[in-house]
Amino acid sequence: GENVEQHPSTLSVQEGDSAVIKCTYSDSASNYFPWYKQELGKGPQLIIDIRSNVGEKKDQRIAVTLNKTAKHFSLHITETQPEDSAVYFCAASKGSGNTPLVFGKGTRLSVIA
Amino acid sequence: DVKVTQSSRYLVKRTGEKVFLECVQDMDHENMFWYRQDPGLGLRLIYFSYDVKMKEKGDIPEGYSVSREKKERFSLILESASTNQTSMYLCASSLGFGDTDTQYFGPGTRLTVL
Repeated sequence: GENVEQHPSTLSVQEGDSAVIKCTYSDSASNYFPWYKQELGKGPQLIIDIRSNVGEKKDQRIAVTLNKTAKHFSLHITETQPEDSAVYFCAASKGSGNTPLVFGKGTRLSVIA
Repeated sequence: DVKVTQSSRYLVKRTGEKVFLECVQDMDHENMFWYRQDPGLGLRLIYFSYDVKMKEKGDIPEGYSVSREKKERFSLILESASTNQTSMYLCASSLGFGDTDTQYFGPGTRLTVL
């Protein structure tokens, strides 16, 4: 089955710097890649997603890139702010059959003011 | 607005007790999921359901069972709670799989088994 690896497990950046979180997946049939943000005391919430027919997607300060050949995708956060501090999860889905998302283990991002 | 609610935010139970965790979604979603979240282990899928009365095992179903009698409600049952089931439990729902597999999560239930 699908396996999603996520790195790093923890990341600290200065406010205003950029943060990059990387994920790799194993199943070449996967075609949907969402990113979730989990703030303290809350459930994860979708922040951005990308499908396999697109190489990059951007939404204000966050962007996701996908390299299907290498089977990896990344989350980029620019001009980080303290409210970006959270745990971020990547996930992958085959998009067919009754196959749920497979999540990475998460990255704890700390933005230092 | 999309909403997934869980019956309790915090729960303390004794070893051997039967524990019910309830989850309700108001979005008419087909799929519902139960995860447990432990430090360093991420989100691990316990069970999911893609239709009323249908259930599928996830990655760690041992020690758990589920019930889905109505579309909006998905229950996680610990038949005989053990200390290694102390964890954060998250419920989620989604419209479908693939392109419609955006999962919406509840706030979680922190279960402590003494």
